[in-house]
Amino acid sequence: EDQVTQSPEALRLQEGESSSLNCSYTVSGLRGLFWYRQDPGKGPEFLFTLYSAGEEKEKERLKATLTKKESFLHITAPKPEDSATYLCAVQAWDTGTASKLTFGTGTRLQVTL
Amino acid sequence: DGGITQSPKYLFRKEGQNVTLSCEQNLNHDAMYWYRQDPGQGLRLIYYSQIVNDFQKGDIAEGYSVSREKKESFPLTVTSAQKNPTAFYLCASSGLFDNTGELFFGEGSRLTVL
Repeated sequence: EDQVTQSPEALRLQEGESSSLNCSYTVSGLRGLFWYRQDPGKGPEFLFTLYSAGEEKEKERLKATLTKKESFLHITAPKPEDSATYLCAVQAWDTGTASKLTFGTGTRLQVTL
Repeated sequence: DGGITQSPKYLFRKEGQNVTLSCEQNLNHDAMYWYRQDPGQGLRLIYYSQIVNDFQKGDIAEGYSVSREKKESFPLTVTSAQKNPTAFYLCASSGLFDNTGELFFGEGSRLTVL
């Protein structure tokens, strides 16, 4: 059974204080690892897909990295508008053509002034 | 604008009643999905469909039903058999053959059973 564990559950940062969120996973064969951002009461918004160990992707203040066992979402000099819940999900090769993702419980990030 | 529209955003239901949540997409995606989100738990897959008139059970299909009569539409019915239906329901879609695996989500429907 595929599993995704995210840590910490919650993180409070001051504006400009960089940090990292962790996503540990076990999957029968990794097809892709996904990061989403979710604002309260909204649907998740896609951020990144990573396909193989060593891959990195960046978007503004966010950078996602991938190893064979975990992924990190690095947040550099965060701003209050980065406050959200960040979700990690994996897709295994044996799920066929459909995007059947297994999600973690998320890290709730709060950035204060 | 292209996207996924879910309605209603909020819904209240009495115990014993069935309720149907609407999901429409204009992204021309082949696949559509229903997920359930509860506090402290990850999103869990209820049903998914890769093609019109066909759908498959996800991890927690008991007490739910779906239909896929049109490519654009994938309504979810929460039946009275669902023991704990209060939750946030998310509809999503994806292209099947673009190999990205990216899911596009709607804004969600929050169901409360009174």
